[in-house]
Amino acid sequence: QKEVEQNSGPLSVPEGAIASLNCTYSDRVSQSFFWYRQYSGKSPELIMSIYSNGDKEDGRFTAQLNKASQYVSLLIRDSQPSDSATYLCAVIPGGGGTSYGKLTFGQGTILTVHP
Amino acid sequence: EPEVTQTPSHQVTQMGQEVILRCVPISNHLYFYWYRQILGQKVEFLVSFYNNEISEKSEIFDDQFSVERPDGSNFTLKIRSTKLEDSAMYFCASTQGTEPQHFGDGTRLSIL
Repeated sequence: QKEVEQNSGPLSVPEGAIASLNCTYSDRVSQSFFWYRQYSGKSPELIMSIYSNGDKEDGRFTAQLNKASQYVSLLIRDSQPSDSATYLCAVIPGGGGTSYGKLTFGQGTILTVHP
Repeated sequence: EPEVTQTPSHQVTQMGQEVILRCVPISNHLYFYWYRQILGQKVEFLVSFYNNEISEKSEIFDDQFSVERPDGSNFTLKIRSTKLEDSAMYFCASTQGTEPQHFGDGTRLSIL
């Protein structure tokens, strides 16, 4: 069973701080990793995708991937109350490095940004 | 921006009844998926569909479930005889294959 693990939180940070969200995965050959944001009662919304080791930045968001440690993280800089949501880590198992395989999700980390 | 659309947003059905959930994927997308999320639990893969056939299905996707792409735009999930444990949010997703999957807003299925 290919697993994706996240700390369910809640993670609480003050407005303007950096929020750090972590995820580990069990399938060593996985190549495709995604972070989705999910507001309560809503659908997953893509934030970032990352396929190569290292950092990938998009605005206030930075995804970090370390395949040797089977670890992917998401940093949110200058956190805002509107960032309060559940953050889902998702992995496409297998070595294809594609975007079209099934997604395996972690249970999500609840982030609360307080003013 | 193109969107994946799902109807209805909320479906209430008696146990044992058949239900069809509908999705219109983004028009140039080739790969289609159904996921479900039971309240308070993780998002779970049900089935993927490519080139007019199922490409992969999970253990959840048993004989009670079926998918169909009856025309060039719709993608449906049918549950033949619903059970209480089928109550969940059902998400449709699609991708062209070179970018991450886009999710619809979901259908909340409530089985009474």
